[in-house]
Amino acid sequence: EAGVTQFPSHSVIEKGQTVTLRCDPISGHDNLYWYRRVMGKEIKFLLHFVKESKQDESGMPNNRFLAERTGGTYSTLKVQPAELEDSGVYFCASSQIDTRTYEQYFGPGTRLTVT
Amino acid sequence: AQSVTQLGSHVSVSEGALVLLRCNYSSSVPPYLFWYVQYPNQGLQLLLKYTSAATLVKGINGFEAEFKKSETSFHLTKPSAHMSDAAEYFCAVRGGTSYGKLTFGQGTILTVHP
Repeated sequence: EAGVTQFPSHSVIEKGQTVTLRCDPISGHDNLYWYRRVMGKEIKFLLHFVKESKQDESGMPNNRFLAERTGGTYSTLKVQPAELEDSGVYFCASSQIDTRTYEQYFGPGTRLTVT
Repeated sequence: AQSVTQLGSHVSVSEGALVLLRCNYSSSVPPYLFWYVQYPNQGLQLLLKYTSAATLVKGINGFEAEFKKSETSFHLTKPSAHMSDAAEYFCAVRGGTSYGKLTFGQGTILTVHP
């Protein structure tokens, strides 16, 4: 079974540019989460999809961030325009809607550097 | 609301020594607690989880953790450290729902010396 995949693994952009991160969850997982770790800080929740619907977007920092999950499969997270403080590692995770498992499976992350 | 505090951002042990990584949580509802590990250039991998069953939880790679409600703690231990245990470890809590967001601690980097 393929795990959660994220693309790209690294991205270096200039302040003011746009970047789109992609996450492919494990097949059949209806829950998809985005998290971010800014250097030196803890991993923080950004948002949660159930299929194509946003269940919880309380962690999104501002309206420069736009997440989509069309068709309930892969998800994209777009940052437009990027600012220096957006630098960090963006993790995606997925899980089943199954109360027996509880586990979120994480991808390797995308390291975003804004210069 | 939930929060997690991991005591010690860096822990260093000798190979063969006891590993103890500390985690305290705060939760307004009965929590689900997790330990994840991140090896270099990899994603987070679940080590173990507490989901209101047995308070002593055994995980992969010889790790275990004990849920202590009175102390609001979920410390991670391993009797004998291996060089391959060197990684960053994260404690996380999820309250209430079975598939809601995780709240993470700051992470603890474990170094194992020969």
